[in-house]
Amino acid sequence: QVQLEQSGTEVKRPGASVKVSCKASGYTFTSYYMHWVRQAPGQGLEWMGIINPSDATTSYAQKFRGRVYMTRDTSTDTVYMGLSGLKSDDTAIYYCARDKGPSKAAGPGDYWGQGTLVTVSS
Amino acid sequence: SYELTQPPSVSVSPGQTARITCSGDALPQKFAYWYQQRLGQAPVLVIYEDNKRPSGIPARFSGSSSGTMATLTISGAQVEDEGDYYCYSTDSIGYRGLFGTGTKVTVL
Repeated sequence: QVQLEQSGTEVKRPGASVKVSCKASGYTFTSYYMHWVRQAPGQGLEWMGIINPSDATTSYAQKFRGRVYMTRDTSTDTVYMGLSGLKSDDTAIYYCARDKGPSKAAGPGDYWGQGTLVTVSS
Repeated sequence: SYELTQPPSVSVSPGQTARITCSGDALPQKFAYWYQQRLGQAPVLVIYEDNKRPSGIPARFSGSSSGTMATLTISGAQVEDEGDYYCYSTDSIGYRGLFGTGTKVTVL
């Protein structure tokens, strides 16, 4: 069965960087794009960007350009999301979500990771 | 910048029909997706490509889109349908995703 397993809780100081992983299993990793979505406490969902695991091409939300990067490792079927210059308002749960796909950028689909809480605090 | 606008809240009695709208200028050209999020849980896809229902989603959930507005309809809402609902689409240039502002659905 399809599973997305994310890395654990992170606590970071302002100005630091964080890297969150999302390990996929149960399907052909390179056949589905992967989205990253975050949700600050008490707030709505926010789309951060998307990566094509087949060729590593990415598209990022304007808000995060210059601070975010997304990569993948096809040897371990894992995608990564890195965010630099952390601020207190980056405190959020970060989700990976497999695209509805396959082989196209459509929208976040049926499979989501469990979420990774990133807390930014001095 | 592009926005997807939803009503903040919708309230219905059990068995009634709840309708949630999502307004965006690119919706005539782009598909809408809908997600349900219960408190403390990850979002769940309930409608994709305007009107398609994933397997396992009850038939009372349906979607439509006309012009600049997409609509999620819950026909015969149940108490377990309470939660926050978000639309999602992309802008008209390249691929830039965007979630709507979210709607809190109360069934009581």
